[in-house]
Formats: sequence, C-alpha cells, structure tokens
Amino acid sequence: GESVGLHLPTLSVQEGDNSIINCAYSNSASDYFIWYKQESGKGPQFIIDIRSNMDKRQGQRVTVLLNKTVKHLSLQIAATQPGDSAVYFCAENFSHYFNDYKLSFGAGTTVTVRA
Amino acid sequence: NAGVMQNPRHLVRRRGQEARLRCSPMKGHSHVYWYRQLPEEGLKFMVYLQKENIIDESGMPKERFSAEFPKEGPSILRIQQVVRGDSAAYFCASSPPLDSSYSGNTIYFGEGSWLTVV
Repeated sequence: GESVGLHLPTLSVQEGDNSIINCAYSNSASDYFIWYKQESGKGPQFIIDIRSNMDKRQGQRVTVLLNKTVKHLSLQIAATQPGDSAVYFCAENFSHYFNDYKLSFGAGTTVTVRA
Repeated sequence: NAGVMQNPRHLVRRRGQEARLRCSPMKGHSHVYWYRQLPEEGLKFMVYLQKENIIDESGMPKERFSAEFPKEGPSILRIQQVVRGDSAAYFCASSPPLDSSYSGNTIYFGEGSWLTVV
C-alpha cells in the first residue's frame, strides 16, 4: 500500500543552526504534500505545502523540497529556534480530486532544539 | 488550525459508554474530515463528509463508529460501547468547497479531542 515515512524519528539541533527533516513517500501518483508541526497536546499546525508541479517552495524560515524521481520530500528550517521544538509530520494526499484531502501521515520526527 | 472548533477537548468514558465528539469547521468550509491519532503515531484518516453526506468512510471501523454532518450544526463523531483501544486523540479538519480558488486551498486541523477510556 501507499505510505509516507520519515528517515529519522528524532533530530537534535543547536539553536541557530538549520534543520533538515526528511520524508519518503511511495505513491508516485501523489500530487500534493503538506508539512505539519504538532506540539504536545495540540493539533497539527500547517507549515507549508507543495504540489507535484513544483520542486521547491519557500515560506518564512522554511523551505520544502520535492524530488519526484526518488519520491523524497524534505523540510528545511533556517535558524532553528526553541519554539521550533515539536513533532513534524509530512502528509501525502492520496485523493486525486481537487479539494478532497485524504491524507496519509508518516510517523513523525521529533525535533529538539538545544540552547 | 485556527477556526476549526472541537469539543470537548478531553473526555473520559468508562468501557461500554458512548462518546460523542463535535466539530465545527472553519467559516466558509463545507468539507469535514475526522482523523485518529494513537500515542506515538501519525494521524490516520477515518471519514470525509460534506453537508448531509458521507463521502468516504474507508478509514472508519465497521462497528461502533459513526459520523454525521447535518445540514445545521456541527459534525459529530460517535463511538458506541467504547473500549480501551479507542483511547486516542481525534482530530477534525476542514477544507473549503470546490468552487474556492486554487491558491491557498488546503486542509486545516482543529486542536483535537482526547478520549480516555477507563
């Protein structure tokens, strides 16, 4: 079946350094991907998304890269801050209808920022 | 996730009781989704609804679970005769209708309802 997985379950990063979180997906037909941040006891918070007609998208301090050849997605966080400590999920939309969001989530990467 | 309202935030039920979780989508959104998150896991899709219609319930357990999104009022996820394995966080999400613009169209999650079965 289709799945979305992350390469590393935990990531420890020094404050001020850049963070890179990786994600592999298996459905080559997937055309929409989202990164979420989830803090303890809270819901997933939208960070950034990317559609399959792009290979890079930038937001405020975050960049998402999509490599469709190897089915790989990454989230880069610039100048990581203590407030970035959380669990990060990539999600793949396995519905191919516009505006229909049936997401498959990976298990998550726990990011810990060291002061 | 601002705007998707879920209640209760925390719910404790004894085995065999019923749990009802409510969700009001973001203003202007007509599509509602329910996801479940077990401890230390990612979210799993359960069901997708539009007003008065269940569009896709392929992730919903066949027994004891039901969902509705009536013409008026919030969406309800109902779990009958709860068991300890139902203990999880249940997240509702919403997205805008089909005639929304392409730009910025995505799905937003609420803060979740944490169900504990004792």
